[in-house]
Amino acid sequence: DQQVKQNSPSLSVQEGRISILNCDYTNSMFDYFLWYKKYPAEGPTFLISISSIKDKNEDGRFTVFLNKSAKHLSLHIVPSQPGDSAVYFCAAGEGKYGNKLVFGAGTILRVKS
Amino acid sequence: DVKVTQSSRYLVKRTGEKVFLECVQDMDHENMFWYRQDPGLGLRLIYFSYDVKMKEKGDIPEGYSVSREKKERFSLILESASTNQTSMYLCASRITGPAGNQPQHFGDGTRLSIL
Repeated sequence: DQQVKQNSPSLSVQEGRISILNCDYTNSMFDYFLWYKKYPAEGPTFLISISSIKDKNEDGRFTVFLNKSAKHLSLHIVPSQPGDSAVYFCAAGEGKYGNKLVFGAGTILRVKS
Repeated sequence: DVKVTQSSRYLVKRTGEKVFLECVQDMDHENMFWYRQDPGLGLRLIYFSYDVKMKEKGDIPEGYSVSREKKERFSLILESASTNQTSMYLCASRITGPAGNQPQHFGDGTRLSIL
């Protein structure tokens, strides 16, 4: 049973436009959510996180929105750049200091120039 | 910058062999993790360790064991390798603290093939 789902395996966006990556979860006990980006032949790198007590967190071109009632979060990238082309993983965990993360299957983002 | 180093990028082993995957981090992190990444399944946690000689099972520990004799090193052991353990293995570490502020840092992975 997948607790964290990324239903879009891939997404293609034009350079300069907005990229929206989506993530759904089933466990209402999750306290925090993270987004990671992964290039081929490299490990995932942390992008941005959000606590369950917030509904938005922003860092430069990256914004994460959390809708707890819908158990849904999304990552917005504005404007999208070709260097953003990568696999994006959504992850969630319980407990403020918790160590166990549950990852989604990932979404491949391709930004066309 | 945090550096998590996995000893091999590619490894080919035979069915039934005992396989060791090594991971070293240089930031004095208390917590270390082993994941496997498979297409369509994302990253799945095998084991993690929150201190030297301490370990906890993740979501898919069967067929694996771990060792943490020193703080900076975390080893994943495949006791008797099987073909269904062919995968990308990723090691991570993090400092203890709020999980959103102290995220896990990953190594570049070991692509393991079991023949």
